[in-house]
Amino acid sequence: DIVMTQSPDSLAVSLGERATINCKSSQSVLYSSNNKNYLAWYQQKPGQPPKLLIYWASTRESGVPDRFSGSGSGTDFTLTISSLQAEDVAVYYCQQYYSTLSYSFGQGTKLEIK
Amino acid sequence: EVQLVQSGAEVKKPGATVKISCKVSGYTFTDYYMHWVQQAPGKGLEWMGLVDPEDGETIYAEKFQGRVTITADTSTDTAYMELSSLRSEDTAVYYCATSSSTSSNWFDPWGQGTLVTVSS
Repeated sequence: DIVMTQSPDSLAVSLGERATINCKSSQSVLYSSNNKNYLAWYQQKPGQPPKLLIYWASTRESGVPDRFSGSGSGTDFTLTISSLQAEDVAVYYCQQYYSTLSYSFGQGTKLEIK
Repeated sequence: EVQLVQSGAEVKKPGATVKISCKVSGYTFTDYYMHWVQQAPGKGLEWMGLVDPEDGETIYAEKFQGRVTITADTSTDTAYMELSSLRSEDTAVYYCATSSSTSSNWFDPWGQGTLVTVSS
């Protein structure tokens, strides 16, 4: 199984500042035949289901503000919020969908306002 | 609008079985996989398994293999997740979520979640 490990577990950032969350997979999620990274990011606010933010590691879902961006390839990925807004307080998860026999999520990163 | 509407909260005793439903609307049920995800209180997301409604084929996570059964009823566009031999550690919110049946297997959208409480 592919193990996803996020860092840090929690993060406090001032409003308007940059927030960076890292995600590492235990094996590459880059599919060589199409050069796509099978990695998604989700945002979960209290009492709500997760919401898709980014897929293919860097493609923003429709309607997601452009302050959210994803980068990385292979085994190392990053979610960046360029200018933190109050409504971005949430838990963020990465997920690999490379292994369709066993999808897996990172443990989550809790983002708070400093 | 694509919608996944789950059944209501359940309270079960240890050793019992729970069956949760997820009714879909706004898309062709058989065109997408249906996944189930467990979230224990204050914890992260754990994938449990999926069903392909087109042919009923299932894939289960090793952790839940033998205790979980995921089915799809194409006559009512509803997916089900049954978890047996419940224990206190199964107290959690359970989500259904769809994904493409091709390579675009990210999960979107998700149901609202169903809280299952296991308590004697």
